[in-house]
Amino acid sequence: DAGITQSPRYKITETGRQVTLMCHQTWSHSYMFWYRQDLGHGLRLIYYSAAADITDKGEVPDGYVVSRSKTENFPLTLESATRSQTSVYFCASSERGEAFFGQGTRLTVV
Amino acid sequence: GQQLNQSPQSMFIQEGEDVSMNCTSSSIFNTWLWYKQDPGEGPVLLIALYKAGELTSNGRLTAQFGITRKDSFLNISASIPSDVGIYFCAGGISSGSARQLTFGSGTQLTVLP
Repeated sequence: DAGITQSPRYKITETGRQVTLMCHQTWSHSYMFWYRQDLGHGLRLIYYSAAADITDKGEVPDGYVVSRSKTENFPLTLESATRSQTSVYFCASSERGEAFFGQGTRLTVV
Repeated sequence: GQQLNQSPQSMFIQEGEDVSMNCTSSSIFNTWLWYKQDPGEGPVLLIALYKAGELTSNGRLTAQFGITRKDSFLNISASIPSDVGIYFCAGGISSGSARQLTFGSGTQLTVLP
């Protein structure tokens, strides 16, 4: 399917576990982003990537790792999940100034 | 970091009324975007603005990129029930390979029948 897809849509994990959220886009957009959305904080940028093998930190990168070995994929890994990382995570892609979002992954850390 | 002030936080309007919301910033942006988010879904792009002073329409939606580059507004005319949702503004900057969007905190719109 064309567009940007995230998986899983819902995930429950335990504190201390590693979890990876997947993001795949079919537009061949150069830029990809990861945001988290929390009540009272809106959308905050975690990491972004300008191209394959080029990534950079956003506003709230601590506790997260990203990679981009292929243009179309941009996985986000929580190396040791904490309760404060309970959130809704959105992946987005962009070629010009706009960004197109996936449907989100709701992550709960217990 | 950069901050956007989006207002109002919430609005309750009657079906058929017009709506206006805006975003202001202390920083300059070279892109202004407006998104709508329905419950359980990701934000959907409504309008993108790329030039200071630009006025763009998309159906019943009209948005403008402020002359100072520090503000933008979104108007919705003749509201309908499906306009319910959260509207976000976003300001964008691009410098070399860096490209970031800063989001407002959102306007929750409720349309009463």
